[in-house]
Amino acid sequence: EIVLTQSPATLSLSPGERATLSCRASQSVSSYLAWYQQKPGQAPRPLIYDASNRATGIPARFSGSGSGTDFTLTISSLEPEDFAVYYCQQRSNWPRTFGQGTKLEIK
Amino acid sequence: EVQLVESGGGLVQPGGSLRLSCAASGFTFSSSWMSWVRQAPGKGLEWVANIKEDGSAKYYVDSVKGRFTISRDNAKNSLYLQMNSLRAEDTAVYYCARDWWGYGDVWGQGTTVTVSS
Repeated sequence: EIVLTQSPATLSLSPGERATLSCRASQSVSSYLAWYQQKPGQAPRPLIYDASNRATGIPARFSGSGSGTDFTLTISSLEPEDFAVYYCQQRSNWPRTFGQGTKLEIK
Repeated sequence: EVQLVESGGGLVQPGGSLRLSCAASGFTFSSSWMSWVRQAPGKGLEWVANIKEDGSAKYYVDSVKGRFTISRDNAKNSLYLQMNSLRAEDTAVYYCARDWWGYGDVWGQGTTVTVSS
């Protein structure tokens, strides 16, 4: 099973700041990695597919990069609605696995 | 509008059974892989199972193999998860998701399963 490790566990920033979230895989997943946003009481919302492709309707301030084992989700300028938990997920191998999440909180 | 609506969750005793349903609308269900993903209280996400468009292939995470069965009825645009021999660690919100190339691109709102005596 591929283990995804996200860092940091919690990120405290202010609106307008830049957020950088990391996801590291225990073995190469090529570019087969997605990012999701989840708010309390809601289902996950897809943001990024295949490491760098934004999902439909996702604002351009969200961008993804990386390949192999190291991936980054960047939010260029935080809006109030961006404070949530973010998960990465790989589809390279079964079982598909998620990282443990990064909580992005308001500083 | 593309939509997934889960139902069937509830409180069940350890060792008991429960069947979850997911009603799909707004897209061609019979052409879509489908999945179940769960989230234990205060925890992260776990991909539980998925099923091919015609039901001919099914995959399960090890923790539910032999206990859970995923199925579908394309005539009814519905996905199911039969859960037997339930354990406390199966307590979670269960999400139905459209499986788009290995990613969940459409999600339901979830249904809560609580396994407790």
